[in-house]
Amino acid sequence: EVQLQQSGAELGKPGTSVKLSCKVSGYNIRNTYMHWVNQRPGKGLEWIGRIDPANGNTIYAEKFKSKATLTADTSSNTAYMQLSQLKSDDTAIYFCAMGWFAYWGQGTLVTVSS
Amino acid sequence: DVVMTQTPPSLSVAIGQSVSISCKSSQSLVYSDGKTYLHWLLQSPGRSPKRLIYQVSNLGSGVPDRFSGTGSQKDFTLKISRVEAEDLGVYYCAQTTHFPLTFGSGTKLEIK
Repeated sequence: EVQLQQSGAELGKPGTSVKLSCKVSGYNIRNTYMHWVNQRPGKGLEWIGRIDPANGNTIYAEKFKSKATLTADTSSNTAYMQLSQLKSDDTAIYFCAMGWFAYWGQGTLVTVSS
Repeated sequence: DVVMTQTPPSLSVAIGQSVSISCKSSQSLVYSDGKTYLHWLLQSPGRSPKRLIYQVSNLGSGVPDRFSGTGSQKDFTLKISRVEAEDLGVYYCAQTTHFPLTFGSGTKLEIK
């Protein structure tokens, strides 16, 4: 059974960074793409970017190019997303998803507040 | 960016009835390999999204056959036959043909 286990909720101050993790079990992430998607409170889904863990190649949505950094560690079968220069409108749930959205993590709530 | 327009924004339906949700894209979703990467997701209350249908009409693993998807090019439909209580939530269409990947704005299904 494929499972994506995300790290716990984060409280970050404005201007700081947080790093989220997404550990995959039941499937080798070298053989798929890992996506990150956010959902602001009461809003819809927004794609942030994708990483190919086999070679580290990334593609980002334009608005997240200076906000998010995607990495992956194939030895631990884990994908990561670092969010930098946090602002209040970065407050959201962040999901990792595998393949063409076939599997999703449970989400990580990031709250930005001073 | 490809804009995905979903209608209606909300639906209220009785158990056992059938419903359809429309999703129209601003560009054709046919990829250079000839396949169409349009998918349907359901986000149940308080849960992460779950993929129901991939590539227009293929049922996801464990998804009941009450769900079906049709369409081509820029015009797609999700149909739910014989709605059950567990079907409530927000339905999203998503395209993975063009970067950036984009989602519809969602259709909220409520049970009468």
